[in-house]
Amino acid sequence: TQLLEQSPQFLSIQEGENLTVYCNSSSVFSSLQWYRQEPGEGPVLLVTVVTGGEVKKLKRLTFQFGDARKDSSLHITAAQPGDTGLYLCAGPNPNAGNNRKLIWGLGTSLAVNP
Amino acid sequence: EPEVTQTPSHQVTQMGQEVILRCVPISNHLYFYWYRQILGQKVEFLVSFYNNEISEKSEIFDDQFSVERPDGSNFTLKIRSTKLEDSAMYFCASSEGLAGSGEQFFGPGTRLTVL
Repeated sequence: TQLLEQSPQFLSIQEGENLTVYCNSSSVFSSLQWYRQEPGEGPVLLVTVVTGGEVKKLKRLTFQFGDARKDSSLHITAAQPGDTGLYLCAGPNPNAGNNRKLIWGLGTSLAVNP
Repeated sequence: EPEVTQTPSHQVTQMGQEVILRCVPISNHLYFYWYRQILGQKVEFLVSFYNNEISEKSEIFDDQFSVERPDGSNFTLKIRSTKLEDSAMYFCASSEGLAGSGEQFFGPGTRLTVL
C-alpha cells in the first residue's frame, strides 16, 4: 500500500483551464514537499508545507496542507503548456523519528495542450 | 543559486562491471541521499548518509552497493557488479541538518544503462 496516494494519476487539459491534484495519506506528516519532474531529469522542489492549514502560493500554483497534516493539494490556475510534467508529493517518513528518508507518491502526470 | 551536481549524466556499462556515480551536494548541507528511478516507476530511496556513515538504507541497497564521501565535496555511489535490473536514473540529493524541515534538493541524475 502507498503511504502517499496521489490523484489523479493522469490529467490532460487545455491551456487556460484550472486544475487541482491531490496527495492523501492516513498518516500525519511533519511536512510535505511538492516536486515537479520532467522526463530524464531530477525532481525540482516547488514548495514545502509545514503547518496544518497552511496555504502557499507560487505564481499560478497554490499549495495547501490539510489541517490534520495528512493531505495536501496543488491547484494550478490558467494552466500553460510549460506546466506539463510529473507532480510528486513527498514527505519525511512518519514512522521513524529523525529519519530523513523521503516517502514518495506515484505522482500526477499533467499534460497541458496548447 | 547553489545546486546539486552529478556526473556523468549517462553511463553505459556491461553487466558485471563496477560503476561509480558521483555527486557534489550543496556545500553547507549535512545529509546526503541516493535515490533511483526505474523508467516509468516511482522514485525509490536507496540510502541516506550523515556524519560520514550510513544512517539508513533500503532493501535495494544490498552488498553490491556502497557509498563514500572521499573528500569534503564529493559523495559517491558504487555498484560493484552491475546487473541488468540496475538500469535506472540515479539521483543524488542533499538536505540541511536536523533543524531543517526535510527539504531535499536533487541533482539532475545519472542515467545508468547496463547491457
